[in-house]
Amino acid sequence: GNSVTQMEGPVTLSEEAFLTINCTYTATGYPSLFWYVQYPGEGLQLLLKATKADDKGSNKGFEATYRKETTSFHLEKGSVQVSDSAVYFCALSEGNNDMRFGAGTRLTVKP
Amino acid sequence: NAGVTQTPKFQVLKTGQSMTLQCAQDMNHNSMYWYRQDPGMGLRLIYYSASEGTTDKGEVPNGYNVSRLNKREFSLRLESAAPSQTSVYFCASRDGTGLRSPLHFGNGTRLTVT
Repeated sequence: GNSVTQMEGPVTLSEEAFLTINCTYTATGYPSLFWYVQYPGEGLQLLLKATKADDKGSNKGFEATYRKETTSFHLEKGSVQVSDSAVYFCALSEGNNDMRFGAGTRLTVKP
Repeated sequence: NAGVTQTPKFQVLKTGQSMTLQCAQDMNHNSMYWYRQDPGMGLRLIYYSASEGTTDKGEVPNGYNVSRLNKREFSLRLESAAPSQTSVYFCASRDGTGLRSPLHFGNGTRLTVT
């Protein structure tokens, strides 16, 4: 079945450091890929998405490229801020009823 | 915009008690979902409703029931709560246009079963 594997956390960075959170997936067809972010006490919010191979999703300085050859969708940001501290989830969807999530990666950014 | 609204925000139950978690969305979405979130396990799908009048089991349905009351509302019921159901529960909706649509989440219900 479909599955998502993302790097285990927690990840702790200093402000303005470069961020990478790895995500790889297993799917039978051609899924859409998503990154969601969860701030304390809140639900998940869509951060970015990509719907086909070589698409790049981007939002708020975060980027991820859909790599079919490596089945990956790694999240990157060039310069993190304290306000980026949150839990990040990689997810894939192959249909209306199937959104599979990774385990989540907690990011803490220190000033 | 309210989006997806869940009630209650917090609940403590004793083993064997029952309760219903409420969810409503105002985005006219066709599909609605219930997930549970446990540490280190991401989100796991309990039940979903692809459209008004239909419900189907997800990955972890045992111990739960759902009702799609109308297009806006989708409730989750625990008939006899167990400590293993201690979790954070999220309701989500989607516009039902297929795999490209993201989920929209409520802020969750934190449930503790003692």
